[in-house]
Amino acid sequence: GAVVSQHPSRVICKSGTSVKIECRSLDFQATTMFWYRQFPKQSLMLMATSNEGSKATYEQGVEKDKFLINHASLTLSTLTVTSAHPEDSSFYICSATVGQASYEQYFGPGTRLTVT
Amino acid sequence: DAKTTQPPSMDCAEGRAANLPCNHSTISGNEYVYWYRQIHSQGPQYIIHGLKNNETNEMASLIITEDRKSSTLILPHATLRDTAVYYCIALAGSYQLTFGKGTKLSVIP
Repeated sequence: GAVVSQHPSRVICKSGTSVKIECRSLDFQATTMFWYRQFPKQSLMLMATSNEGSKATYEQGVEKDKFLINHASLTLSTLTVTSAHPEDSSFYICSATVGQASYEQYFGPGTRLTVT
Repeated sequence: DAKTTQPPSMDCAEGRAANLPCNHSTISGNEYVYWYRQIHSQGPQYIIHGLKNNETNEMASLIITEDRKSSTLILPHATLRDTAVYYCIALAGSYQLTFGKGTKLSVIP
């Protein structure tokens, strides 16, 4: 149980275009989902926290108009990178919390974004 | 959340126990110790967590000192697939995980 999927696993796009990444909890309902990014040889950095049906909370330094997050249902959150630039190339990872009993997070496999 | 300190890297022979230390000397009474690992180019994987008692599950054991200032994650019989970066995180009252640099564990055949 507690499986989180991401789609696509890998995407290459041209500079100036937008890319949507999906995060799904496959066998549980996730009230809260998180989006992280990880640059090469660095640790994960939290970008935003997303609760179903409400606006995402973004970390300091993350542009909410550039990284659009939609959490329309208890099993799906999407991250759209708008007007992508080469510096947005990174590994994007989502996670979801299973329930209220503990703070375990289950992570998706990640999406490798390359902007050319 | 309390800061944690881990060695940057460790080696372990395949089949032997891997003991990964974590220092959290400023941990407060309501903070849990969580361990995650990240295999190269994958999302992190939850391993185990504890408050003050030792914990064991199918993946690992967590030993927390009585004063709770440090802990050790034990992988009893390391395999090559356990090669990963291991993160120790102190957490209370929040779902927001803050990942440090972790320990890069290399399991050697």
